Amino acid sequence: EAGVAQSPRYKIIEKRQSVAFWCNPISGHATLYWYQQILGQGPKLLIQFQNNGVVDDSQLPKDRFSAERLKGVDSTLKIQPAKLEDSAVYLCASSVGQGIRTEAFFGQGTRLTVV
Amino acid sequence: ELKVEQNPLFLSMQEGKNYTIYCNYSTTSDRLYWYRQDPGKSLESLFVLLSNGAVKQEGRLMASLDTKARLSTLHITAAVHDLSATYFCAVGRDYGGSQGNLIFGKGTKLSVKP
Repeated sequence: EAGVAQSPRYKIIEKRQSVAFWCNPISGHATLYWYQQILGQGPKLLIQFQNNGVVDDSQLPKDRFSAERLKGVDSTLKIQPAKLEDSAVYLCASSVGQGIRTEAFFGQGTRLTVV
Repeated sequence: ELKVEQNPLFLSMQEGKNYTIYCNYSTTSDRLYWYRQDPGKSLESLFVLLSNGAVKQEGRLMASLDTKARLSTLHITAAVHDLSATYFCAVGRDYGGSQGNLIFGKGTKLSVKP
């Protein structure tokens, strides 16, 4: 079974530039999550989708971050404009559904460096 | 606000020794997870603990949950070098919610030396 695919793996941009990350979840997984992992910290949930609807975006800095999952499959996360403190690994995860016994699988992440 | 605290944050062990990593959380939750992360890699699920008194074991790792104390432990028995990694505990943010909707601790970086 193919895992959660993310691209690009690495990205370096200057502050105030824009950047977008892409995630392809495991086939058939209705629930998709974006996490931000700053160096030395645990991942922090940014947004959760159920199919193409947003379930939880309470921790998403909406003034600069946006995410969409238009067809309920792939998802993109955008940052515009980027700040130095956005340097982090952005992890995408997916699960079959929303029940507590459904396991979430994580992708390898996109490492963003803002200079 | 739900907070998850792990200790220690750094752990250097000798091979063959035993040690325990602790995970405390601030409010009640219905699920707790342990993950492993190798450098530059993604998160690998180790254990899912859903009830008070739950104990799960896999190889040299054993996890337990005390929901009354809001405490989970990850015990390492006779450590080997392959266990070197960062270990995270994570707690469900809302009752009955998705496994992926979690609050993570800062992680414990484990280094096992010969």
